[in-house]
Amino acid sequence: DAMVIQNPRYQVTQFGKPVTLSCSQTLNHNVMYWYQQKSSQAPKLLFHYYDKDFNNEADTPDNFQSRRPNTSFCFLDIRSPGLGDAAMYLCATRETGTNYGYTFGSGTRLTVV
Amino acid sequence: RKEVEQDPGPFNVPEGATVAFNCTYSNSASQSFFWYRQDCRKEPKLLMSVYSSGNEDGRFTAQLNRASQYISLLIRDSKLSDSATYLCVVNPTSGGYQKVTFGTGTKLQVIP
Repeated sequence: DAMVIQNPRYQVTQFGKPVTLSCSQTLNHNVMYWYQQKSSQAPKLLFHYYDKDFNNEADTPDNFQSRRPNTSFCFLDIRSPGLGDAAMYLCATRETGTNYGYTFGSGTRLTVV
Repeated sequence: RKEVEQDPGPFNVPEGATVAFNCTYSNSASQSFFWYRQDCRKEPKLLMSVYSSGNEDGRFTAQLNRASQYISLLIRDSKLSDSATYLCVVNPTSGGYQKVTFGTGTKLQVIP
């Protein structure tokens, strides 16, 4: 029944070693978002795709990239993870033209060692 | 002023109590509003949307006050399972894809 699936749930990576987090959805929503959430903080939007259009937040570091090869999948690439990038990464989807809220995946908790 | 501000937590309440959270927003043009629940180390889950006329879902009641730019969440007859962080979410448009703004959350701990 899972509608927004993130893999893996837990990811440990070495300092500076590229890592990719994945998100897939079965909802066919046209918008997909990547959020970063650190402990006791609000989720922070990194970027989003409206269909194939990529929208980067102004304060998202260049270290973070994203790909959306099709409607169902979206990837977050961290080119050179630093200790400060350890966080929960949340993927969310939404269908425009509705007043429904976001549907979140279960998140990937990234640890940088 | 932050775009979305929530009551500072944590709220520690006994089982059966009624508790209310407020959330203020700064963008008067905001169109849609939500309450999310987030359990420790889990993803946020939609609790309820907030409608202009106010809405109720079981023990949960959400209210919107556009004049004063705040929304509220009332939980009656608190259960232990209500313990979580409650996030206020404000969308500048209705149905659009523009980014929403999250509050930092209010932590609720229901005590036996």
